[in-house]
Amino acid sequence: QVQLQESGPGLVKPSQTLSLTCSVSGDSISSSNYYWSWIRQPAGKGLEWIGRIYTSGSTNYNPSLKSRVTISVDTSKNQFSLKLSSVTAADTAVYYCARESSSSSDSWGQGTLVTVSS
Amino acid sequence: DIQMTQSPSSLSASVGDRVTITCQASQDISNFLNWYQQKPGKAPKLLIYDASNLETGVPSRFSGSGSGTDFTFTISSLQPEDIATYYCQQYDSLPPAFGQGTKLEIK
Repeated sequence: QVQLQESGPGLVKPSQTLSLTCSVSGDSISSSNYYWSWIRQPAGKGLEWIGRIYTSGSTNYNPSLKSRVTISVDTSKNQFSLKLSSVTAADTAVYYCARESSSSSDSWGQGTLVTVSS
Repeated sequence: DIQMTQSPSSLSASVGDRVTITCQASQDISNFLNWYQQKPGKAPKLLIYDASNLETGVPSRFSGSGSGTDFTFTISSLQPEDIATYYCQQYDSLPPAFGQGTKLEIK
């Protein structure tokens, strides 16, 4: 059974870059036919898809965040990462990593809260 | 981008009730529609994919239907453990947009 675990700083200063890593166990990023994605949820609000990466390294990003987002993969560590630059308070949210098939996100990490504050 | 509109935004029902949530897409998405359940403090859990297919291990009291722009999610007999927020999500085109959620409470 695949498991995903987010890690990274819980507090980021405004204008800095948010960096998170998702560690995957129970499945191999390099050999599976899945996308690996990031989704976020501000407190008390709905879900926003940030973007995804495929095994090959190809990426897709939400146009609303595209200028600030980079998703990368490290197959040797079976991890993928999110970088979001120039953060503001509006980027404060719980960030989830997920495994994404062609039709759905079938496995999710537990989520990690990132607060943007000075 | 495709917009997803869920209704109602909140719902109160009794144990044993039949509960229905609707989701409308801003354009035709065929059957590329998923339903997720999110309990407080937890990650969303996939319940239904491709509008009507039950994810493995999900109780049969959950069901989904619809195609095109109008979709329905049903709990045939509400159980106490079903208290959660439910989200629809379209997967027809990127970005995969979610509805705003329906918070389900026990009456």
